[in-house]
Amino acid sequence: GAGVSQSPRYKVTKRGQDVTLRCDPISSHATLYWYQQALGQGPEFLTYFNYEAQPDKSGLPSDRFSAERPEGSISTLTIQRTEQRDSAMYRCASSLVGDAGELFFGEGSRLTVL
Amino acid sequence: AQSVTQPDIHITVSEGASLELRCNYSYGATPYLFWYVQSPGQGLQLLLKYFSGDTLVQGIKGFEAEFKRSQSSFNLRKPSVHWSDAAEYFCAVGGGGNKLVFGAGTILRVKS
Repeated sequence: GAGVSQSPRYKVTKRGQDVTLRCDPISSHATLYWYQQALGQGPEFLTYFNYEAQPDKSGLPSDRFSAERPEGSISTLTIQRTEQRDSAMYRCASSLVGDAGELFFGEGSRLTVL
Repeated sequence: AQSVTQPDIHITVSEGASLELRCNYSYGATPYLFWYVQSPGQGLQLLLKYFSGDTLVQGIKGFEAEFKRSQSSFNLRKPSVHWSDAAEYFCAVGGGGNKLVFGAGTILRVKS
């Protein structure tokens, strides 16, 4: 697509429920990133993909968090058994392979866990 | 470990006045440095980046930034601020890999 698209834009869920967030990157971009942004903070790295490979998931806060990109395009971020501390903006970005730093961000998915 | 400090949480400037947003970083090698801007309801947009070479870099929307290795700083400047510049600005550092470390951001308010 023309830009990075994320859905849903807003998600409210109850503690203990699972949520899945979706990211559709720019079509020519092989690299896709997930960041978490708490209120009043900058984005924090969660994980990234080169095509369907996931070389670095060191930023995932716990094993309740997982991400997939099975066909090297659309990616999902799943949070199992959500907790209130998971409430944040989840930002997806994409870039050309090897273009470190030139990230194109989506508008984000705002998750609220009650 | 890499880290970025943006000392100012909020800054208010008058329209037409000059602007400087501060950024200090901690990184063991030559850093890759970036400034991103986030307008309400939108994603972050890259303003400018420094990889190597000339320490004064020009970006979009009339912004520039200067890399000062001795001060571990990468401050963002604009000679004359427009009301449309009101947004949140993030400084980020990377090592050439795929992981950027962002500062907490500075919210810029522009008064007429």
